Amino acid sequence: NAGVTQTPKFQVLKTGQSMTLQCAQDMNHEYMSWYRQDPGMGLRLIHYSVGAGITDQGEVPNGYNVSRSTTEDFPLRLLSAAPSQTSVYFCASSRTGESTEAFFGQGTRLTVV
Amino acid sequence: GESVGLHLPTLSVQEGDNSIINCAYSNSASDYFIWYKQESGKGPQFIIDIRSNMDKRQGQRVTVLLNKTVKHLSLQIAATQPGDSAVYFCAENINTGGFKTIFGAGTRLFVKA
Repeated sequence: NAGVTQTPKFQVLKTGQSMTLQCAQDMNHEYMSWYRQDPGMGLRLIHYSVGAGITDQGEVPNGYNVSRSTTEDFPLRLLSAAPSQTSVYFCASSRTGESTEAFFGQGTRLTVV
Repeated sequence: GESVGLHLPTLSVQEGDNSIINCAYSNSASDYFIWYKQESGKGPQFIIDIRSNMDKRQGQRVTVLLNKTVKHLSLQIAATQPGDSAVYFCAENINTGGFKTIFGAGTRLFVKA
């Protein structure tokens, strides 16, 4: 059972570079979301999607784009990386938006230098 | 604004004792309150939830209490074990037209053998 798979696990970017963090789930979940977690902090919601073709902004969306072309995939794009985006990024999925049990990936540790 | 916070950043308990982790919230419109456990290097894992119209819910070795009068949520862990050592987050599932799960800052639980 793969669950939620994130790639890569680690990434170092230079300021101004762009990249895409991949997230895939094999549970046929409608709802997917992206969070960032800074050291000693809780998770902050970046973007979320209630289904294919539908996305919306969370608490901290600036500097990030998302799309949801399929149920399985929910990539997060950093358009022009900044040191402030150094963080651990978690992707999560749940059966629906109302479902409280979210399944998280293992995280992507991103460092922007 | 929407916010979920915690009273204690760290909690140290003796193995076999009961643990109580507290959380304050400010958003009265939350549909559900949720507790997650995060072990080092891993994504958060769902523990238990409670609907906003309930005041108590029990799971296996865990009990969640909700006091809406003072906007307080707690997680009680019975007979705490070394495997319970982790960071615990409370979270709110809020319906704002699209469901969002907002996390608090977390409490680190240390279990002494």
